[in-house]
Amino acid sequence: ETGVTQTPRHLVMGMTNKKSLKCEQHLGHNAMYWYKQSAKKPLELMFVYNFKEQTENNSVPSRFSPECPNSSHLFLHLHTLQPEDSALYLCASSQETGLNTEAFFGQGTRLTVV
Amino acid sequence: AQKITQTQPGMFVQEKEAVTLDCTYDTSDQSYGLFWYKQPSSGEMIFLIYQGSYDEQNATEGRYSLNFQKARKSANLVISASQLGDSAMYFCAMRENAGNNRKLIWGLGTSLAVNP
Repeated sequence: ETGVTQTPRHLVMGMTNKKSLKCEQHLGHNAMYWYKQSAKKPLELMFVYNFKEQTENNSVPSRFSPECPNSSHLFLHLHTLQPEDSALYLCASSQETGLNTEAFFGQGTRLTVV
Repeated sequence: AQKITQTQPGMFVQEKEAVTLDCTYDTSDQSYGLFWYKQPSSGEMIFLIYQGSYDEQNATEGRYSLNFQKARKSANLVISASQLGDSAMYFCAMRENAGNNRKLIWGLGTSLAVNP
């Protein structure tokens, strides 16, 4: 059983829809991340939250809006997405952001934008 | 230029044999960390092994070992006694101490298939 849980596992949405991805970690970690994984591209870091404060926004379009209400929960709010936003969205957490700190990942949400 | 290069898009190995997955990296930083992750078809990224740039010994974790050659900037993953459950995508990643806000930088991955 993973310590990082993502819901939903699969999502199909139209370009005019609004939806949210949810991530919950049960590991007591202080940092949480959103990544985008597209075919034939390296994993792309989208957002980083450390102690509930956003510390990284990696030039992500505003149609993606993160929210971190507490250190255990992370949301990614989606609106007016484009077909090229279809990808696997992975949430991760880590104890801190040190050099040797490994991240623990959820199983991802497979998003398809139609 | 890519910071992490995995030159093998796909690899095959016979069950119970060893396999080496290649990873080369590019950094001017003296202090950095190298990671290997496994991603099965379920989607979850599973941490396998870590090597620090100042570690003198090659990292080992069970059947996984990291062949770290600092001068060549390579950090190959060796899986011994392959099992069918090892079939997955394998990703090499690096975290630099300076710059990039200590982001993990990822390679494109290698798909490993273990044959019975």
